[in-house]
Amino acid sequence: RKEVEQDPGPFNVPEGATVAFNCTYSNSASQSFFWYRQDCRKEPKLLMSVYSSGNEDGRFTAQLNRASQYISLLIRDSKLSDSATYLCVVNIPNTDKLIFGTGTRLQVFP
Amino acid sequence: DGGITQSPKYLFRKEGQNVTLSCEQNLNHDAMYWYRQDPGQGLRLIYYSQIVNDFQKGDIAEGYSVSREKKESFPLTVTSAQKNPTAFYLCASSYPRGSYGYTFGSGTRLTVV
Repeated sequence: RKEVEQDPGPFNVPEGATVAFNCTYSNSASQSFFWYRQDCRKEPKLLMSVYSSGNEDGRFTAQLNRASQYISLLIRDSKLSDSATYLCVVNIPNTDKLIFGTGTRLQVFP
Repeated sequence: DGGITQSPKYLFRKEGQNVTLSCEQNLNHDAMYWYRQDPGQGLRLIYYSQIVNDFQKGDIAEGYSVSREKKESFPLTVTSAQKNPTAFYLCASSYPRGSYGYTFGSGTRLTVV
């Protein structure tokens, strides 16, 4: 089983749609979780951290399910500018290292 | 403004040549990392350093070398032993344990000519 697994997509959605991505991780001792956004030919940028209680930032909601070892990202009212690849990121316990998923590509069309 | 700077943005290497990619940060982060990304692929860890004068190999260290003489700087050398060096190279830094995530530089695109 991969350490961090994501559906590669692409997810093609119209503007205004709600879209959800899931990610599973293999190490039950992981404590830190993040979603990053990567635009084509650019560096990944931190979108949001994921907390146990779930957290929201504007149109974006992240949730963590420790029992099932998955993380989700919900994007409401999609904009054309949301088109990007979304990376699920999980820490390796007792190290400084993070494991990056291969990403889920989102394409929002007019 | 604090940040992490990579240079050059584009680099062309001839066969058999060593090249060095620069990475500098002024975020006061202890840990620094080098990743490689190939088209349509995920990030693969080359080397990382948790403190000055110390570094560890990542998953794909062969053909690469690093140094960490200063906290702010973590240069990566792509040696002639790296047979397929064409890729997008990303440098990142973080606080201990990566608790707040990594901050990435804007990357260096290396092409073998």
